[in-house]
Amino acid sequence: EDKVVQSPLSLVVHEGDTVTLNCSYEVTNFRSLLWYKQEKKAPTFLFMLTSSGIEKKSGRLSSILDKKELFSILNITATQTGDSAVYLCAVNGGSQGNLIFGKGTKLSVKP
Amino acid sequence: DAGITQSPRHKVTETGTPVTLRCHQTENHRYMYWYRQDPGHGLRLIHYSYGVKDTDKGEVSDGYSVSRSKTEDFLLTLESATSSQTSVYFCAISEADYGYTFGSGTRLTVV
Repeated sequence: EDKVVQSPLSLVVHEGDTVTLNCSYEVTNFRSLLWYKQEKKAPTFLFMLTSSGIEKKSGRLSSILDKKELFSILNITATQTGDSAVYLCAVNGGSQGNLIFGKGTKLSVKP
Repeated sequence: DAGITQSPRHKVTETGTPVTLRCHQTENHRYMYWYRQDPGHGLRLIHYSYGVKDTDKGEVSDGYSVSRSKTEDFLLTLESATSSQTSVYFCAISEADYGYTFGSGTRLTVV
């Protein structure tokens, strides 16, 4: 059975801290791995990763994929209260391009 | 999100009644998906469509049906709503190997 596992499930840090969120997967037809940020409404797209070892970066956020070890990490440096959200990892591995989601990591950044 | 809208945004209905949720896109994307999001479960695929009149079941399809008579519209019907179908429902669209774009969600309460 295809699955995506995220850890930790929740995390509380203080502003300025650096955090690392983990995502491991077991998917039969891997195409890509995606990270989303979800605040109160719809998930918003952060990164899509398809190749191992190539870091994607956007401001204070970065992510990398290891296709040999079947995991990805999402790093957030110098965290701010606005980073508080649920971060979702998803793998595009379904036969029709459907995403398989992890349960998410709830990040709380305290002032 | 621009290009994808869901209606209604909120709905309260009684057990045993039929309910239809609508997803409308203006992006002309081929693929459309319905997910439900519940605490402790993350996002789970209900049904998806890969073209007009082409649909298939996802992980949690029991009690749901879908229809897609036009590229832009994907309808999700709860044939006889139950309390276990109280959830937040998200529609998503995608094209080829690009990431998903999510609608703003429909919060459904079955009483």
